[in-house]
Amino acid sequence: EPEVTQTPSHQVTQMGQEVILRCVPISNHLYFYWYRQILGQKVEFLVSFYNNEISEKSEIFDDQFSVERPDGSNFTLKIRSTKLEDSAMYFCASSEAAFVADTEAFFGQGTRLTVV
Amino acid sequence: GEDVEQSLFLSVREGDSSVINCTYTDSSSTYLYWYKQEPGAGLQLLTYIFSNMDMKQDQRLTVLLNKKDKHLSLRIADTQTGDSAIYFCAEIGTDKLIFGTGTRLQVFP
Repeated sequence: EPEVTQTPSHQVTQMGQEVILRCVPISNHLYFYWYRQILGQKVEFLVSFYNNEISEKSEIFDDQFSVERPDGSNFTLKIRSTKLEDSAMYFCASSEAAFVADTEAFFGQGTRLTVV
Repeated sequence: GEDVEQSLFLSVREGDSSVINCTYTDSSSTYLYWYKQEPGAGLQLLTYIFSNMDMKQDQRLTVLLNKKDKHLSLRIADTQTGDSAIYFCAEIGTDKLIFGTGTRLQVFP
Protein backbone atom coordinates (compact mmCIF):
# COMPACT_ATOMS: atom_id res chain seq x y z
CA GLU A 1 0.00 0.00 0.00
CA PRO A 2 1.43 3.42 -0.86
CA GLU A 3 2.49 5.51 2.07
CA VAL A 4 4.01 8.84 2.96
CA THR A 5 7.43 8.46 4.50
CA GLN A 6 9.25 10.99 6.65
CA THR A 7 12.87 11.17 7.69
CA PRO A 8 14.33 11.36 10.21
CA SER A 9 11.90 10.01 12.79
CA HIS A 10 13.61 12.06 15.49
CA GLN A 11 15.89 15.07 15.15
CA VAL A 12 17.65 16.90 17.94
CA THR A 13 19.12 20.26 17.12
CA GLN A 14 20.63 23.22 18.92
CA MET A 15 18.73 26.47 19.08
CA GLY A 16 19.63 28.71 16.18
CA GLN A 17 20.58 25.86 13.87
CA GLU A 18 18.86 25.13 10.58
CA VAL A 19 16.94 21.89 10.14
CA ILE A 20 15.44 20.23 7.10
CA LEU A 21 12.65 17.74 7.55
CA ARG A 22 12.12 15.42 4.64
CA CYS A 23 9.05 13.76 3.25
CA VAL A 24 8.35 11.51 0.30
CA PRO A 25 4.67 11.89 -0.60
CA ILE A 26 2.66 9.30 -2.51
CA SER A 27 3.80 9.41 -6.10
CA ASN A 28 0.60 10.41 -7.93
CA HIS A 29 -0.48 12.96 -5.35
CA LEU A 30 -0.55 16.62 -6.25
CA TYR A 31 -1.18 18.39 -2.94
CA PHE A 32 1.27 18.42 -0.09
CA TYR A 33 1.03 19.65 3.47
CA TRP A 34 2.95 20.15 6.65
CA TYR A 35 1.31 20.07 10.04
CA ARG A 36 2.82 20.12 13.48
CA GLN A 37 1.77 19.13 16.95
CA ILE A 38 3.39 20.59 20.03
CA LEU A 39 3.16 18.11 22.89
CA GLY A 40 -0.31 18.16 24.42
CA GLN A 41 -1.66 20.67 21.91
CA LYS A 42 -3.63 20.49 18.69
CA VAL A 43 -2.35 19.36 15.36
CA GLU A 44 -1.82 22.68 13.59
CA PHE A 45 -1.75 23.40 9.91
CA LEU A 46 1.47 24.99 8.67
CA VAL A 47 1.39 25.09 4.89
CA SER A 48 -0.11 23.56 1.76
CA PHE A 49 1.75 23.25 -1.53
CA TYR A 50 0.43 22.67 -5.03
CA ASN A 51 1.86 23.10 -8.48
CA ASN A 52 5.25 24.01 -7.07
CA GLU A 53 4.04 26.87 -4.97
CA ILE A 54 2.54 27.55 -1.58
CA SER A 55 -1.24 27.62 -1.84
CA GLU A 56 -1.92 28.51 1.77
CA LYS A 57 0.03 29.07 4.94
CA SER A 58 -0.80 29.72 8.56
CA GLU A 59 0.41 32.45 10.88
CA ILE A 60 2.93 29.97 12.30
CA PHE A 61 4.62 29.68 8.91
CA ASP A 62 6.73 32.82 9.13
CA ASP A 63 9.94 33.79 7.35
CA GLN A 64 11.88 31.18 9.30
CA PHE A 65 10.02 28.42 7.47
CA SER A 66 10.23 27.39 3.84
CA VAL A 67 9.12 24.43 1.77
CA GLU A 68 10.51 22.97 -1.37
CA ARG A 69 9.95 20.13 -3.77
CA PRO A 70 13.51 19.96 -5.08
CA ASP A 71 13.39 16.88 -7.28
CA GLY A 72 9.77 16.00 -7.95
CA SER A 73 9.63 13.34 -5.24
CA ASN A 74 10.85 14.84 -1.98
CA PHE A 75 8.95 17.54 -0.15
CA THR A 76 11.00 19.35 2.49
CA LEU A 77 10.33 21.73 5.33
CA LYS A 78 13.22 23.94 6.34
CA ILE A 79 13.42 25.89 9.56
CA ARG A 80 16.19 28.44 9.19
CA SER A 81 17.02 29.28 12.77
CA THR A 82 15.30 26.97 15.21
CA LYS A 83 13.78 28.18 18.45
CA LEU A 84 12.90 26.17 21.53
CA GLU A 85 9.22 26.59 20.72
CA ASP A 86 9.70 24.84 17.38
CA SER A 87 10.02 21.57 19.29
CA ALA A 88 7.08 19.49 18.06
CA MET A 89 6.04 16.51 16.00
CA TYR A 90 5.93 17.52 12.33
CA PHE A 91 3.61 15.63 10.01
CA CYS A 92 3.78 15.63 6.26
CA ALA A 93 0.68 14.72 4.24
CA SER A 94 -0.30 14.38 0.63
CA SER A 95 -3.55 14.02 -1.28
CA GLU A 96 -4.68 13.51 -4.85
CA ALA A 97 -6.89 16.56 -4.77
CA ALA A 98 -7.66 19.48 -2.54
CA PHE A 99 -9.94 18.91 0.42
CA VAL A 100 -13.26 18.62 -1.28
CA ALA A 101 -15.66 15.70 -1.36
CA ASP A 102 -14.15 12.64 0.27
CA THR A 103 -10.52 13.30 -0.57
CA GLU A 104 -8.31 11.38 1.78
CA ALA A 105 -5.10 12.91 3.01
CA PHE A 106 -2.37 10.40 3.75
CA PHE A 107 -0.05 11.28 6.60
CA GLY A 108 3.47 10.25 7.38
CA GLN A 109 4.53 8.90 10.75
CA GLY A 110 5.96 12.24 11.77
CA THR A 111 9.35 13.67 12.66
CA ARG A 112 9.84 14.60 16.27
CA LEU A 113 11.96 17.73 16.40
CA THR A 114 13.61 18.59 19.70
CA VAL A 115 15.35 21.95 19.96
CA VAL A 116 17.76 22.24 22.88
CA GLY B 1 -12.48 31.10 13.54
CA GLU B 2 -12.33 27.41 12.94
CA ASP B 3 -11.72 25.32 16.04
CA VAL B 4 -12.05 21.70 17.06
CA GLU B 5 -12.13 20.52 20.67
CA GLN B 6 -11.66 17.06 22.14
CA SER B 7 -11.06 15.63 25.56
CA LEU B 8 -7.51 14.36 26.01
CA PHE B 9 -7.97 10.93 27.55
CA LEU B 10 -10.38 8.03 27.63
CA SER B 11 -9.85 4.76 29.41
CA VAL B 12 -12.12 1.74 28.83
CA ARG B 13 -12.18 -1.94 29.64
CA GLU B 14 -11.73 -4.42 26.82
CA GLY B 15 -15.10 -5.46 25.40
CA ASP B 16 -16.85 -2.26 26.44
CA SER B 17 -17.90 0.48 24.04
CA SER B 18 -15.80 3.62 23.71
CA VAL B 19 -17.28 6.98 22.82
CA ILE B 20 -14.93 9.75 21.77
CA ASN B 21 -16.46 13.20 21.51
CA CYS B 22 -15.58 16.27 19.49
CA THR B 23 -17.03 19.74 19.03
CA TYR B 24 -16.30 21.99 16.11
CA THR B 25 -17.10 25.56 15.22
CA ASP B 26 -17.34 25.85 11.44
CA SER B 27 -20.94 25.08 10.50
CA SER B 28 -20.02 25.20 6.81
CA SER B 29 -17.77 22.13 7.07
CA THR B 30 -18.92 19.67 4.44
CA TYR B 31 -17.06 16.67 5.79
CA LEU B 32 -15.90 15.68 9.23
CA TYR B 33 -13.23 13.08 9.78
CA TRP B 34 -11.84 10.72 12.34
CA TYR B 35 -8.16 9.87 12.13
CA LYS B 36 -6.31 7.30 14.21
CA GLN B 37 -2.66 7.41 15.21
CA GLU B 38 -1.06 4.26 16.55
CA PRO B 39 2.31 4.50 18.33
CA GLY B 40 5.11 5.28 15.88
CA ALA B 41 2.72 5.55 12.94
CA GLY B 42 1.16 8.37 10.94
CA LEU B 43 -2.39 9.65 11.06
CA GLN B 44 -4.64 7.12 9.37
CA LEU B 45 -8.11 8.02 8.10
CA LEU B 46 -10.63 5.87 9.97
CA THR B 47 -13.92 7.20 8.71
CA TYR B 48 -15.69 10.36 7.68
CA ILE B 49 -19.21 11.68 7.57
CA PHE B 50 -20.85 14.08 5.18
CA SER B 51 -22.48 17.01 6.94
CA ASN B 52 -26.00 16.17 5.74
CA MET B 53 -25.88 12.80 7.52
CA ASP B 54 -26.72 12.13 11.16
CA MET B 55 -25.08 8.77 11.46
CA LYS B 56 -22.69 6.51 9.67
CA GLN B 57 -21.90 2.95 10.64
CA ASP B 58 -18.87 0.99 9.51
CA GLN B 59 -18.45 -2.38 11.25
CA ARG B 60 -17.55 -1.61 14.88
CA LEU B 61 -17.45 2.14 14.26
CA THR B 62 -20.45 4.44 14.51
CA VAL B 63 -20.17 8.14 13.82
CA LEU B 64 -22.90 10.42 15.11
CA LEU B 65 -23.24 14.01 13.96
CA ASN B 66 -25.37 16.62 15.69
CA LYS B 67 -25.08 19.54 13.32
CA LYS B 68 -27.21 21.83 15.46
CA ASP B 69 -24.84 21.46 18.42
CA LYS B 70 -21.76 21.00 16.19
CA HIS B 71 -20.99 17.80 18.01
CA LEU B 72 -19.38 14.73 16.50
CA SER B 73 -18.79 11.40 18.21
CA LEU B 74 -17.06 8.17 17.38
CA ARG B 75 -18.34 5.02 19.04
CA ILE B 76 -16.20 1.90 18.97
CA ALA B 77 -18.14 -1.23 19.86
CA ASP B 78 -16.45 -4.13 21.60
CA THR B 79 -13.25 -2.16 22.13
CA GLN B 80 -10.08 -4.23 21.81
CA THR B 81 -6.54 -3.61 23.09
CA GLY B 82 -5.56 -3.03 19.46
CA ASP B 83 -7.83 0.02 19.45
CA SER B 84 -5.50 1.77 21.88
CA ALA B 85 -4.34 4.85 19.98
CA ILE B 86 -4.87 8.57 19.65
CA TYR B 87 -8.05 9.53 17.80
CA PHE B 88 -8.26 12.87 16.03
CA CYS B 89 -11.40 14.62 14.95
CA ALA B 90 -10.98 16.99 11.99
CA GLU B 91 -13.09 19.34 9.93
CA ILE B 92 -12.39 20.88 6.57
CA GLY B 93 -11.12 24.43 6.57
CA THR B 94 -10.09 26.27 3.42
CA ASP B 95 -7.94 23.68 1.60
CA LYS B 96 -6.80 22.15 4.86
CA LEU B 97 -7.90 20.00 7.75
CA ILE B 98 -8.48 21.52 11.16
CA PHE B 99 -7.64 19.02 13.86
CA GLY B 100 -8.41 18.70 17.52
CA THR B 101 -5.83 17.76 20.17
CA GLY B 102 -6.55 14.08 19.78
CA THR B 103 -8.07 11.76 22.41
CA ARG B 104 -5.78 9.10 23.77
CA LEU B 105 -7.79 5.91 24.14
CA GLN B 106 -6.39 3.38 26.54
CA VAL B 107 -7.95 -0.07 26.61
CA PHE B 108 -7.21 -2.26 29.60
CA PRO B 109 -7.98 -5.95 29.99
